[in-house]
Amino acid sequence: QVRLVESGGGLVKPGGSLRLSCAASGFTFSDYYMSWIRQAPGKGLEWVSSISSSSSYIKYTDSVKGRFTISRDNAKNSLYLQMNSLRAEDTAVYYCAREDSAMVGSYMDVWGKGTTVTVSS
Amino acid sequence: QSVLTQPPSASGTPGQRVTISCSGSSSNIGSNTVNWYQQLPGTAPKLLIYSNNQRPSGVPDRFSGSKSVTSASLAISGLQSEDEADYYCAAWDDSLNGWVFGGGTKLTVL
Repeated sequence: QVRLVESGGGLVKPGGSLRLSCAASGFTFSDYYMSWIRQAPGKGLEWVSSISSSSSYIKYTDSVKGRFTISRDNAKNSLYLQMNSLRAEDTAVYYCAREDSAMVGSYMDVWGKGTTVTVSS
Repeated sequence: QSVLTQPPSASGTPGQRVTISCSGSSSNIGSNTVNWYQQLPGTAPKLLIYSNNQRPSGVPDRFSGSKSVTSASLAISGLQSEDEADYYCAAWDDSLNGWVFGGGTKLTVL
């Protein structure tokens, strides 16, 4: 079945780095845009970054520009998020999600269970 | 402060109809379609409504969505205890060049 599984979260000190991974299965990964969305403890959803199927189109939310890098390996059916210069406010559950599109509009139709990133000294 | 504005809470009794609003602007809801997500306690978000008013397969027809100019609404009829969850609206924002979410509405079934 269609599945996304995130990994790579953990506890890191401010200024440190982490690399998140998202393994996709059950669909043709290379056909889809993919995104990272995060949720700080007790807070709402916040879009972080999106990448097109061929990696030619990449967008970031302003608060992570210059610190985070999204990438993908279609041969390995995997999505990544390299996070550098981490701050306390980056503490959150990070979800990867598949983006699909209809005749009008697009949407995130498949979500992973998330991986937790905690930035603390 | 979220770009899309939702009421923080809503409530209803079993069998009732409740609506949740989502207010945006010309650069997001006014220009693009709206999606709704349901997040049950301790779980990942799930797509509930896409393209303003379309239900993915498996979503009961008790859930419906609508959009008018720069606002959208999610309606839940025949409220059930298992509908108790957080609900989020989302849309692409042409000015920010990214997805924007509402702050979420916590639905309580009394």
